[in-house]
Amino acid sequence: NAGVTQTPKFQVLKTGQSMTLQCAQDMNHNSMYWYRQDPGMGLRLIYYSASEGTTDKGEVPNGYNVSRLNKREFSLRLESAAPSQTSVYFCASSPNSGPLSGRQPQHFGDGTRLSIL
Amino acid sequence: KQEVTQIPAALSVPEGENLVLNCSFTDSAIYNLQWFRQDPGKGLTSLLLIQSSQREQTSGRLNASLDKSSGRSTLYIAASQPGDSATYLCAVKYSGGATNKLIFGTGTLLAVQP
Repeated sequence: NAGVTQTPKFQVLKTGQSMTLQCAQDMNHNSMYWYRQDPGMGLRLIYYSASEGTTDKGEVPNGYNVSRLNKREFSLRLESAAPSQTSVYFCASSPNSGPLSGRQPQHFGDGTRLSIL
Repeated sequence: KQEVTQIPAALSVPEGENLVLNCSFTDSAIYNLQWFRQDPGKGLTSLLLIQSSQREQTSGRLNASLDKSSGRSTLYIAASQPGDSATYLCAVKYSGGATNKLIFGTGTLLAVQP
């Protein structure tokens, strides 16, 4: 079972370059999420999509855009990368949306390690 | 501000020992609390999820408790094994606000020595 698949696994960018991180899940989940993980700060929510066709800002959305392409795919785009965006990015999904969204655990991908020089 | 704190940041124990990991949160109005395991270079694996109405959850050698009034959760690992070595994260989903938002602690890095 593939679960949540993220591509690429590693990437190095120069300041100002743009890039899109891809995420796909094969569990027919409604909700999808993008987090960043930084040393000493834990995971922080960037954006989430409660269901196909909807997206909402999380805790740290500045400098990012997202697209919920279909039920399976949720991409994260950096339009003009900055060194402060060097991080490990995780995509996650969960079965439910709305009031039931908290009753099921989130399933995580293996992450994209992004370095911006 | 809603925060989640995990102490200690790192823990080393000999194989076979029972151990407790701690998680504290600042707001008792939680919806649920989850414990995750993260192996180096990998994503997070959900271990246990406790709803706000529950006091504990068990899975194999793992037992998680929840005390909302004191703002604490503990993850108890019985008879630890070297394969339990990983970072353990707790995350709280608060009631109200952004429906799908989890607040994560910074984790406890556990090393079980053979």
